[in-house]
Amino acid sequence: DGGITQSPKYLFRKEGQNVTLSCEQNLNHDAMYWYRQDPGQGLRLIYYSQIVNDFQKGDIAEGYSVSREKKESFPLTVTSAQKNPTAFYLCASSIHGTGEETQYFGPGTRLLVL
Amino acid sequence: EDQVTQSPEALRLQEGESSSLNCSYTVSGLRGLFWYRQDPGKGPEFLFTLYSAGEEKEKERLKATLTKKESFLHITAPKPEDSATYLCAPNSSGGGYNKLIFGAGTRLAVHP
Repeated sequence: DGGITQSPKYLFRKEGQNVTLSCEQNLNHDAMYWYRQDPGQGLRLIYYSQIVNDFQKGDIAEGYSVSREKKESFPLTVTSAQKNPTAFYLCASSIHGTGEETQYFGPGTRLLVL
Repeated sequence: EDQVTQSPEALRLQEGESSSLNCSYTVSGLRGLFWYRQDPGKGPEFLFTLYSAGEEKEKERLKATLTKKESFLHITAPKPEDSATYLCAPNSSGGGYNKLIFGAGTRLAVHP
């Protein structure tokens, strides 16, 4: 089955700790994205990548970092600089990253602060 | 500035009671408008893409339409399994890169 997997489903962060959210896809898509979803708000773009070893900041990149060493994987690190990290994090992918393409989403990771 | 507003925020319907959800948008260089369905605690599931004013797409009890400033998601004779949050997302080429601008969604509850 082709799709996008995210792990873990729930993640707890302590004060001052960096945590990493995993995103893997086997759709052979070039482009991958990270979004943050807060209650009552639309999804907001954190980072995106259209090709291996290259990525761009989205609208709310501060306090986050990413890497894209493999086509299939796009992990997101929530650093201690992100002061309000509690949210639902969604990873998505699309074929090439052009505007006309459909983005397909993973099941999400809920991050909570202890 | 790119903006998307979905209305109503929440909608309660009886099974079989048809209705429409609205998505009003202002974006730079529209390159497509996407509708997604999202169940609680899950990722959005793709429904439709519309590319030009006048275009319509249908899937089971859902029909999406597009004008230059709005998109509508019409739900005909809904069933309880249609209960979900419906997200609208036009694609904007403003700001130097292509991105989806998501609305906050309409929470639909269909009761038997």
